[in-house]
Amino acid sequence: VLTQSPGTLSLSPGERVILSCRASQSVSSNYLAWYQQKPGQAPRLLIYGASSRATGIPDRFSGSGSGTDFTLIISRLEPEDFAVYYCQQYDPPAWTFGQGTKVEIK
Amino acid sequence: QLQLQESGPGLVKPSETLSLTCTLSGGSITSSGYYWGWIRQPPGKGLEWIGTMYYTGTTYYNSSLKSRVTISVDTSKDHFFSLKLTSVTAADTAVYYCARVVPEPAALLDYWGQGTLVTVSS
Repeated sequence: VLTQSPGTLSLSPGERVILSCRASQSVSSNYLAWYQQKPGQAPRLLIYGASSRATGIPDRFSGSGSGTDFTLIISRLEPEDFAVYYCQQYDPPAWTFGQGTKVEIK
Repeated sequence: QLQLQESGPGLVKPSETLSLTCTLSGGSITSSGYYWGWIRQPPGKGLEWIGTMYYTGTTYYNSSLKSRVTISVDTSKDHFFSLKLTSVTAADTAVYYCARVVPEPAALLDYWGQGTLVTVSS
């Protein structure tokens, strides 16, 4: 099980964001990813392998962590970053997502 | 550039079978090392993995859906794969996404369809 916190963050553009994803059992860092989802759109891959940015993802997004605790950081919120963020783990052959953290405009 | 597109009925009656197809453009189901999967999202809720398949026919399913799900491919038509979910109820109402699944070396889903809403209602 992946538990994300907080459920919702109300922030202003320019602020730093720290999102948490905690696993109930240890996860290989290779098998932890983060996605961004905007209303009416499919999820978009942001981070894979816990810390590698996907193609085309700005460097204001960074990921870190190991074991059971992982973090997604947005260094400086841009207007287009207001969205829901999901973490995902792979425990072969099953895939699991966290419940999501919504980052909304304050 | 790989693109995926889901298609199928938007309305299914309770107890009937939900059937969706994912069509690829710019790529092939038989590409080595890539799996193909289905994920769903009930309205206002989070993401749920349904299952994953490899073009050879190997499949893996969410244990909570396993008795009702079939993901398949006709390799003679290497730009399509499909999802069938039997005995649907209102709880199966969701946006259904198909995606390219890369389990190794880093597990990720890198290409997604736009999603298709399936409503279960009489």
